[in-house]
Amino acid sequence: DAGVIQSPRHEVTEMGQEVTLRCKPISGHDYLFWYRQTMMRGLELLIYFNNNVPIDDSGMPEDRFSAKMPNASFSTLKIQPSEPRDSAVYFCASSPRDRAYNEQFFGPGTRLTVL
Amino acid sequence: SQKIEQNSEALNIQEGKTATLTCNYTNYSPAYLQWYRQDPGRGPVFLLLIRENEKEKRKERLKVTFDTTLKQSLFHITASQPADSATYLCALSNTGNQFYFGTGTSLTVIP
Repeated sequence: DAGVIQSPRHEVTEMGQEVTLRCKPISGHDYLFWYRQTMMRGLELLIYFNNNVPIDDSGMPEDRFSAKMPNASFSTLKIQPSEPRDSAVYFCASSPRDRAYNEQFFGPGTRLTVL
Repeated sequence: SQKIEQNSEALNIQEGKTATLTCNYTNYSPAYLQWYRQDPGRGPVFLLLIRENEKEKRKERLKVTFDTTLKQSLFHITASQPADSATYLCALSNTGNQFYFGTGTSLTVIP
């Protein structure tokens, strides 16, 4: 298996632009998580899905952020409009159903820079 | 809200020694605690899970303890090697679904 796939790996955009981050979880995994990592705040959980359904989005910072999971093999995190304070590394992770209490498999991350 | 603290400063140790990393938490009663390793430019990689009813868990050169009274977990790497140099993150959950991460401790093993 190729592991969790994220695209793009790097994104540089200007303030006010829409940004879409993409994630392909590991096949067969029923849980999908979106995280944001910064030096100041560490790794923060934004939202997670179970069987494509959003379970908890309380970590989404504000209405500018939205996430979807239209099917078991694809998820997006969208920021509209983007702001410089959104600059961070965004990680997607997946976890198999019966092992939701165990490990999460992280993707390589998307480094977002908003100018 | 829950607060998770790890060694705030980087840890430098000599090769062959035991590295001990600390994870302290407040305002929380986790049932599960995980440790991850993160290398620069990469996502975290799972190392170990320990449950609240387990005092200690081992995996090869790794040992994790979980003291719910002290609200603390210790992560030990014995016979450390330069390849162990990385950032180590602890993560806590009371449901097993949502894990909250500490900010991590940077470990450097000096040859």
